[in-house]
Order: sequence, then structure tokens, then C-alpha cells
Amino acid sequence: QKEVEQNSGPLSVPEGAIASLNCTYSDRGSQSFFWYRQYSGKSPELIMSIYSNGDKEDGRFTAQLNKASQYVSLLIRDSQPSDSATYLCAVSNFGNEKLTFGTGTRLTIIP
Amino acid sequence: DVKVTQSSRYLVKRTGEKVFLECVQDMDHENMFWYRQDPGLGLRLIYFSYDVKMKEKGDIPEGYSVSREKKERFSLILESASTNQTSMYLCASRPNTGGNTGELFFGEGSRLTVL
Repeated sequence: QKEVEQNSGPLSVPEGAIASLNCTYSDRGSQSFFWYRQYSGKSPELIMSIYSNGDKEDGRFTAQLNKASQYVSLLIRDSQPSDSATYLCAVSNFGNEKLTFGTGTRLTIIP
Repeated sequence: DVKVTQSSRYLVKRTGEKVFLECVQDMDHENMFWYRQDPGLGLRLIYFSYDVKMKEKGDIPEGYSVSREKKERFSLILESASTNQTSMYLCASRPNTGGNTGELFFGEGSRLTVL
């Protein structure tokens, strides 16, 4: 079983709709959760971090964490063509220097 | 802005050659990382360093070594390159945050092809 699992996609969403990206993890000791965005040919960049159960909103982005279900998601509201990218879920334990990444979900926003 | 600079964007090497990938960061970060990224496998950690002259193995250290003689510089070394080391190599840095891991700042990547 992979430590961090994501559906590889591609996920196609119409412009203006909500894009929903999902991630599950296997280590119950995980404490820190991150979503990175990676445009084609570019390096990953952090867009959201979440550390406690519930929702965290930042502009059009909402991260949701459910530690009991070992599940973290990213919602993108009012999707724009510029949101087309690969989204990487990353997880680590408290105080652990290592981030474990999922394989990423490729998202395409259709104009 | 934080800048992480990788010395080479594209390299082509032959099997058995020794390969050096250099990474320099300008924000005085304590922690530096080397990842490789392959289609379908995602980002996998090769080695990381939390201080000068300190190194820790990541998930896939075999066939690689690292050097951190100065705080700003972290080098990845392939002693004898093999074709299965053809990949995109990403360097990253991160400051100490006293608990949660915080944000990784990535370089632009070095695409290595081993023939």
C-alpha cells in the first residue's frame, strides 16, 4: 500500500465549477498535510497547508482534513484555466523532516 | 524571494560516468533536500540534510551520495551513473520551523539523461 495515494486523473472540470481533489494516507501518526501545485515543466509550489481536522479556506481554495478517515482533500471554487496543473498531496509526521508525496492528480479546467 | 538554484537544467551523461548536481539556496535555510520525480511515481526523497556536514538517507538513497560542506550548498553525486537514474532531479530547501514541516522551496530542476 502506498503511503500517500491520489487518483492520477486526468480530472476535467468546466470553468467556473468546483474542482475536488482527494488524497488518502496510511500513517495514522501523520500531523502535517500540504497541497502543492505543479505546472507542466515547472517545480512544485505550496498552495495550502492544514494541521487540524476540519476546513481551512484561502481565497478560492479550501483544504479539508479528516484524520479519523485518513483523508485530506482540496476544493477549488470558481475554477479557472490557470488552475490547470498537477496537484500533489504531501504528508509528514510532527517534527519529521521528511515529506512524503503522492503521485499527483492532473487537473484540466475546460473553458 | 527565496531562490534555490540548480546548476544545470539539462544534462546528458553516459553509463558509468560520475555526475555532480549542485544546488545553492540564498535564504540561510537549515534543511535541504534532493528528490527525483518520475512519471507515475511522483516525488521520491533521495537524501536530506538538516545542517552542514549532516545527511540523512531518504527513501531511495541507493546509487547516490550527497555533500554539504557549506550551509547554502547541497550536492548530489551519482558515483557511476546508470540508465535507471534518468530522471528529473529537484532540490529543495526549508527553514527550521520548530515543529510542523512548513514550506519547501524548490529549484527549477535538473533533467538528467543517462545513455
